[in-house]
Amino acid sequence: EVQLLESGGGLVQPGGSLRLSCVASGFTFSNYAMSWVRQAPGKGLEWVSAISGSGGTTYYADSVKGRFTISRDNSQNTLYLQMNSLRAEDTAVYYCAKEVPTSFDYWGQGTLVTVSS
Amino acid sequence: IQLTQSPSSLSASVGDRVTITCRASQGISSYLAWYQQKPGKAPKLLIYAASTLQSGVPSRFSGSRSGTDFTLTISSLQPEDFATYYCQHLNSYPFSFGQGTKLEIK
Repeated sequence: EVQLLESGGGLVQPGGSLRLSCVASGFTFSNYAMSWVRQAPGKGLEWVSAISGSGGTTYYADSVKGRFTISRDNSQNTLYLQMNSLRAEDTAVYYCAKEVPTSFDYWGQGTLVTVSS
Repeated sequence: IQLTQSPSSLSASVGDRVTITCRASQGISSYLAWYQQKPGKAPKLLIYAASTLQSGVPSRFSGSRSGTDFTLTISSLQPEDFATYYCQHLNSYPFSFGQGTKLEIK
């Protein structure tokens, strides 16, 4: 059974940093690209970042480019999102998702990040 | 690539047939997925490659494509179908989502 378990969310002040983790199980992690998707309170889904299976290629939404860094440790089946220079508008539930060519077929349960003073 | 999803909200009754549309701003072949999301839960994949039903999803859900217009149809609404629905393109990064359609009970 595929499982994705996010952690690392919490309350952080504007300008602060946070690192999210997503531990994967039930599939060969290194074979799949992974993405982070976020959802601000009461709003729609926003794709944030993606990383190839090897970790060699990364992609970012313009809204987070230069502030967020996606990475992965295939030996630990873990995906990361390092978030720096956080802003109030980064407040959201952050989901990790497993990519297949034409969809995100599995999602984690999400972790809430709140940026507030 | 922008996705324009309509309507943004929809009221319907159990047993109704409903259709949600997603229009892409440029060609995306069939790289489109549909998701269902219930409050407080992660999105759930319904349809991928525009028209392929994900395993375990009831057959009352279907998807179709005509050029850059995509449609999600629920043939006979069930109580558990009242939720928010999103389309997503996966043609090239950055992947984007439609604005969502909230399906409510009439």
